[in-house]
Amino acid sequence: NAGVTQTPKFQVLKTGQSMTLQCAQDMNHNSMYWYRQDPGMGLRLIYYSASEGTTDKGEVPNGYNVSRLNKREFSLRLESAAPSQTSVYFCASSEGYGRGSNQPQHFGDGTRLSIL
Amino acid sequence: DQQVKQNSPSLSVQEGRISILNCDYTNSMFDYFLWYKKYPAEGPTFLISISSIKDKNEDGRFTVFLNKSAKHLSLHIVPSQPGDSAVYFCAANWDTGFQKLVFGTGTRLLVSP
Repeated sequence: NAGVTQTPKFQVLKTGQSMTLQCAQDMNHNSMYWYRQDPGMGLRLIYYSASEGTTDKGEVPNGYNVSRLNKREFSLRLESAAPSQTSVYFCASSEGYGRGSNQPQHFGDGTRLSIL
Repeated sequence: DQQVKQNSPSLSVQEGRISILNCDYTNSMFDYFLWYKKYPAEGPTFLISISSIKDKNEDGRFTVFLNKSAKHLSLHIVPSQPGDSAVYFCAANWDTGFQKLVFGTGTRLLVSP
C-alpha cells in the first residue's frame, strides 16, 4: 500500500541549480498538491492540480513550476534554486473536488531539500 | 497574516490523561476543519475532521469540538497514549469548489508514560 510516493527523499543543491521533485500516487485520486514546510510554520500550498490536465498556483508559487504528467504523477520543478527554497516539500493527493467534497488529503513522506 | 493559529507550540501530558489541543481561526468563510498528525520524517496523516454545521465529531479516542462564534476548535484525546506523541496540525478549508487547506503552525504533543 504505497499511497503517495515522493522521490528523492533528500537532496542538496547549489544556488542556481535546477531540480525536479517527483510525486506519484496509486489511489486513483483526481487532485494533487505540493506544499512546503518551514520551521515554525505550517504547510503552505505551492501549486495544485484539481484534475489531470489542470494546474493552479497556491499561496507561494514563485520560483516553482509544476507538471501534471498524468493522473498518477505530479512533479515540482525548481528552475534556479535559491537558499530561500530550502525546505521540506510534501506532495499530497485527494479523491476529488467540487462543492461538498472534503475528502482528506493523503501525504507523502516528504523531500528534504537544502540549497547552499 | 496567519489565518489559522495554534498558539501552543508544545504540550506535555501524562499517559492516561486528557490531551487538549487548541486552534483559532480568523476567516469566517472557513467551513470545514481537519486535524492531521505528523511523526518525524513522515508526512502528515489525517486524523479527524468536522464540518461547520456540527459542533462535535468523535472517532474513538479523538473528539473535535467547534465553536463557530469564537472561531475556535479543539482536539481532545482521551486517554492519551505514548504513541500519540507527534506534531498535530489544524487545517481549515472553505467551499470554493476545491479543497485548498490553510494549516496552522502545529503543536508538538509529548505523552509520557
